[in-house]
Amino acid sequence: NAGVTQTPKFQVLKTGQSMTLQCAQDMNHNSMYWYRQDPGMGLRLIYYSASEGTTDKGEVPNGYNVSRLNKREFSLRLESAAPSQTSVYFCASRTPGQGFPGELFFGEGSRLTVL
Amino acid sequence: GQQLNQSPQSMFIQEGEDVSMNCTSSSIFNTWLWYKQDPGEGPVLLIALYKAGELTSNGRLTAQFGITRKDSFLNISASIPSDVGIYFCAGQLNSWGKLQFGAGTQVVVTP
Repeated sequence: NAGVTQTPKFQVLKTGQSMTLQCAQDMNHNSMYWYRQDPGMGLRLIYYSASEGTTDKGEVPNGYNVSRLNKREFSLRLESAAPSQTSVYFCASRTPGQGFPGELFFGEGSRLTVL
Repeated sequence: GQQLNQSPQSMFIQEGEDVSMNCTSSSIFNTWLWYKQDPGEGPVLLIALYKAGELTSNGRLTAQFGITRKDSFLNISASIPSDVGIYFCAGQLNSWGKLQFGAGTQVVVTP
């Protein structure tokens, strides 16, 4: 089973360039999330989608946009990349109220460097 | 917003030693979770705690949900090399809410 799949795994951008991180899950989960991980700061929520057709801001949404394309896919877009967006990005999914409450299933991460 | 303080930030231990780490929160949670992140991978759930005072084990791992609902700890007994990684605590107020993550504890195990 693939679980949560993220692409690309690595990307180098120049300041001002744009790019989209793709995420797809095959577990029929309702909710999907984008986190960024920075040293010493843990995982911080950028945006989430509680269900298909809805998206909401998390802790650190500035500089990002998201699209919940369908139940399976949730993309994260950087319109004009900045060095401060150098980070490892994780997509995650779950269905609240099912399985272990609170358990998130994570992708393998996308390492982004902005020069 | 809620603040989760996880300590220690890092630990260098010898194989066979026990490891202990904890998380404290400025507000109460109704669920505490502990995740482990292997190098180059996404975090994976280790243990979930749903009731104040609850003590739960998963193999060599033991975690407790603090009685005040503002803290939790994780113990790893008799560490082995594959215990290397970053351990994250996470708290949740209700099953529909978002998770709040601690900053992580980096564990390094030397032979």
